Amino acid sequence: AQSVTQLDSHVSVSEGTPVLLRCNYSSSYSPSLFWYVQHPNKGLQLLLKYTSAATLVKGINGFEAEFKKSETSFHLTKPSAHMSDAAEYFCVVSYGGSQGNLIFGKGTKLSVKP
Amino acid sequence: SQTIHQWPATLVQPVGSPLSLECTVEGTSNPNLYWYRQAAGRGLQLLFYSVGIGQISSEVPQNLSASRPQDRQFILSSKKLLLSDSGFYLCAWSTGRNLMGNTIYFGEGSWLTVV
Repeated sequence: AQSVTQLDSHVSVSEGTPVLLRCNYSSSYSPSLFWYVQHPNKGLQLLLKYTSAATLVKGINGFEAEFKKSETSFHLTKPSAHMSDAAEYFCVVSYGGSQGNLIFGKGTKLSVKP
Repeated sequence: SQTIHQWPATLVQPVGSPLSLECTVEGTSNPNLYWYRQAAGRGLQLLFYSVGIGQISSEVPQNLSASRPQDRQFILSSKKLLLSDSGFYLCAWSTGRNLMGNTIYFGEGSWLTVV
């Protein structure tokens, strides 16, 4: 069965230091991959998506993610964290086909210390 | 540009009372529409999706129901709420029949507390 795993439920970084949020997926065939951000009491906002074009995907707010097929990973990174980055981040996998084939990770809560 | 609105943003309802959450999408036609629930400490759970007017697919059996009376309107309902229905409900939309490569866009969410 297809699945997506966010390896850390909580990540804490200091402002100005790099951010790494990890995501691995199971691989039946090539998926589409997304990262969403959710600020407290808000909906989910799309950060970036991979759809079999360039493996390094740049998103909004300085985030980027690299699709590594050999490692079945799609980790989210940012060179320098900002206080406003504190939020919950969701890795999402789509295998296409029927509408039910959209799989959400459990989420990673990012805290940014001053 | 496309926008999605859902309301109310927050509501507190007693056990056994009815529920109606509404969602509308603007700037697109024939969208796929979704209702998700996000319970505290858990990920997102797909409740219902719709590919057209009057076409509803249920992913999870429960006391909730959904309706799509118009192309860009999606309603989540219950006749009698349970305590376990409390959570954060998100409406979403996408284009195309196949999700591969298509993005899902979310509304701002509705907080439901059943007391």
